Amino acid sequence: QKEVEQDPGPLSVPEGAIVSLNCTYSNSAFQYFMWYRQYSRKGPELLMYTYSSGNKEDGRFTAQVDKSSKYISLFIRDSQPSDSATYLCAGSISSGSARQLTFGSGTQLTVLP
Amino acid sequence: DSGVTQTPKHLITATGQRVTLRCSPRSGDLSVYWYQQSLDQGLQFLIQYYNGEERAKGNILERFSAQQFPDLHSELNLSSLELGDSALYFCASRAPDSYEQYFGPGTRLTVT
Repeated sequence: QKEVEQDPGPLSVPEGAIVSLNCTYSNSAFQYFMWYRQYSRKGPELLMYTYSSGNKEDGRFTAQVDKSSKYISLFIRDSQPSDSATYLCAGSISSGSARQLTFGSGTQLTVLP
Repeated sequence: DSGVTQTPKHLITATGQRVTLRCSPRSGDLSVYWYQQSLDQGLQFLIQYYNGEERAKGNILERFSAQQFPDLHSELNLSSLELGDSALYFCASRAPDSYEQYFGPGTRLTVT
């Protein structure tokens, strides 16, 4: 079983829709969670990170972590065609200096104009 | 632009060869991470260096090695290349006492 599971999609929505992207994880030691956006053949771009449980909002993006169910989500409001990309979730252990990221497989999102 | 640079952008080489990928972290970042992204395995952590010292190892093959130099740039060396090593190789850097990792544009390696 992979430590971070993510539905690969593809997910296709109309412009303006609310998008929900989800991941589950199995490593209870994860305390930090990241969401990256990756356009085709480009480097992953950090969108948001959250610590432990709770919500964090940044513009049209909201990241949510539920540690009790080991579930993390990213919501995109008023989705735009420019949001079309692969979205990667990742978990990280907070102790120590390593803090390497364990990624899900990514969800491919297409926002149709 | 994340501030992390990687060279070369593309590399095409033959099986059995050796290549070196280069990464320069963001100014002030002491940690450099290397990741491999392939279609079947996704984005996987290979190795991390902090201020010149190896700090963590992931799924890195023995044929692969890395180092971080005093100016904090890092190199990933891949030897005895196999077709299955064809992938995107990313480096990322992180500032001290932070959790956010910023990725470079990657090097696309094709082994023929």
